[in-house]
Amino acid sequence: QSALTQPASVSGSPGQSITISCTGTSSDVGSYNLVSWYQQHPGKAPKLMIYEVSKRPSGVSNRFSGSKSGNTASLTISGLQAEDEADYYCCSYAGSSTPSWVFGGGTKLTVL
Amino acid sequence: QVQLVQSGAEVKKPGASVKVSCKASGYTFTSYGISWVRQAPGQGLEWMGWISAYNGNTNYAQKLQGRVTMTTDTSTSTAYMELRSLRSDDTAVYYCAREQGVFDAFDIWGQGTMVTVSS
Repeated sequence: QSALTQPASVSGSPGQSITISCTGTSSDVGSYNLVSWYQQHPGKAPKLMIYEVSKRPSGVSNRFSGSKSGNTASLTISGLQAEDEADYYCCSYAGSSTPSWVFGGGTKLTVL
Repeated sequence: QVQLVQSGAEVKKPGASVKVSCKASGYTFTSYGISWVRQAPGQGLEWMGWISAYNGNTNYAQKLQGRVTMTTDTSTSTAYMELRSLRSDDTAVYYCAREQGVFDAFDIWGQGTMVTVSS
């Protein structure tokens, strides 16, 4: 199973919006509405930000949103804030007969 | 509160084995699956495998097949991940993560366990 493809880095100024793409295949992203996104600050465990493509867990800001079209999922962060600076990872369910998942390579978000 | 607490850092020599524990609390352990995810220094997240805490069924990433074993002890609500024949490229932070629903996202993560493989 190959890793999902994410841009290595994105940047934006406070208040702006950015979008991070996550491209998989018809065997993972394209087959299931089970794409999730994680935020990871340095030295910390990942935190779930989006699940099932576009749902937000309780407590996650509504500035975070997700979508999917075909084999590509996207995470959009609006109204960028300094604390959004982190690494972001997408993840897709990829199992067929047995459960498996695949992560993206990660995207470093810099808030300018 | 719902949490996963992992065992402490380990230093191992090449060829040795390591067993990391992940103790769950605050929820019904057998109602959720557990995945293990690792992160090499400066690298991304890598899914290693999954275990059903309900019946012990497992599935491992192909690249780790034969070297990794995941188990659970329902009496103590603890999941374990054992990795054998350690190599230097197994040096990483190892996380356990709870699967929030059937094949769904990972909503609760352990704090991570650093495993260093060095001669």
